[in-house]
Amino acid sequence: DAKTTQPTSMDCAEGRAANLPCNHSTISGNEYVYWYRQIHSQGPQYIIHGLKNNETNEMASLIITEDRKSSTLILPHATLRDTAVYYCIVRAMGYKLSFGAGTTVTVRA
Amino acid sequence: GAGVSQSPSNKVTEKGKDVELRCDPISGHTALYWYRQSLGQGLEFLIYFQGNSAPDKSGLPSDRFSAERTGGSVSTLTIQRTQQEDSAVYLCASSFRDRGYNEQFFGPGTRLTVL
Repeated sequence: DAKTTQPTSMDCAEGRAANLPCNHSTISGNEYVYWYRQIHSQGPQYIIHGLKNNETNEMASLIITEDRKSSTLILPHATLRDTAVYYCIVRAMGYKLSFGAGTTVTVRA
Repeated sequence: GAGVSQSPSNKVTEKGKDVELRCDPISGHTALYWYRQSLGQGLEFLIYFQGNSAPDKSGLPSDRFSAERTGGSVSTLTIQRTQQEDSAVYLCASSFRDRGYNEQFFGPGTRLTVL
């Protein structure tokens, strides 16, 4: 799997958009960008994934640069319940997930 | 509908004892995974079951670890002669096998503490 780089932590204000960056400069053509999050004391939760096009679902939007070397996860209206560790994963199709350190996001009222 | 459930939620055991951890996947999910997450560490793959196929056991750290899945549903992860380094949160996940993007649904985990 390609290596990813994420900021260690970030704060955002409740009700505002949270933009979470991820660098993956060694991504291969067949590798997807996945985002999961893990709220304290819970199991990881899938958020979104994409290959090269921007994607949106009910939870978030994923913006992937044209060269695919970086991406941004956007939580459009952050709530206190979005406080969690967010993991950016770059991998080809397959079932073995592995997470790095991720970004600890704290949403403040 | 019900999500993935795991039991017990917490388990404290003495070094050398055997433990069994249970996972009930989402109904209809054909794929089941076990992972573990140690304090401050990332996610570590342990084993993968898919239907009636032979499981992928490549992530099991030693022969003290084993898992089975009965009737294509409930799974049990067994750790024999537990060691202190086995202390971790053990996570189970399930998914539809034919999902192209492999969205995995995780349970809340079992926190294992080996004294």
